[in-house]
Amino acid sequence: DAGVIQSPRHEVTEMGQEVTLRCKPISGHNSLFWYRQTMMRGLELLIYFNNNVPIDDSGMPEDRFSAKMPNASFSTLKIQPSEPRDSAVYFCASRPYRVGRFDNSPLHFGNGTRLTVT
Amino acid sequence: GQQVMQIPQYQHVQEGEDFTTYCNSSTTLSNIQWYKQRPGGHPVFLIQLVKSGEVKKQKRLTFQFGEAKKNSSLHITATQTTDVGTYFCVTGGGNKLTFGTGTQLKVEL
Repeated sequence: DAGVIQSPRHEVTEMGQEVTLRCKPISGHNSLFWYRQTMMRGLELLIYFNNNVPIDDSGMPEDRFSAKMPNASFSTLKIQPSEPRDSAVYFCASRPYRVGRFDNSPLHFGNGTRLTVT
Repeated sequence: GQQVMQIPQYQHVQEGEDFTTYCNSSTTLSNIQWYKQRPGGHPVFLIQLVKSGEVKKQKRLTFQFGEAKKNSSLHITATQTTDVGTYFCVTGGGNKLTFGTGTQLKVEL
């Protein structure tokens, strides 16, 4: 089990540039989450997918942020144009999703992408 | 998502002392999960509580779910330097999981 794989681990870019973060969930996990972590706001849920379909993107801060999941093994989070206040650690997490269960399977997190926008 | 308050925000202890963090909600929770994040690392699942009044133990860690399912606690007995990190409670129904604010634990020799 390779775990959730995120790339890149670190990204430094200038304000105005496009940034693309990538995630490969654990094979067989049909639910994928993007979180952002900062000192000020803690861990914020940005968006999550079930079976490659975006279910709730209410956490996406602005139109500059977009996320896609073209297939079960790949997702991207794009910021265009990037701003200094986007600097944070972005985590991707996955887990199996079972309809109708009231309990929750554990989230498996990737190592995160540390984004710095100057 | 459901709103939870986690206290304290920070805790410094001497190695060997006990530590407790609390998660409180104004609404009834269907279940609660606990995660640990080491400095520079990512959150790692510790445990899930589902039943009213449930108590689970993992070595020196004891997890409790309140009788009314509105609060939970994590207690560490005789802390060690390996316990350093931030402990989060996570709540949510369906698939929208919300992290608490976390308690940052520092352990001094």
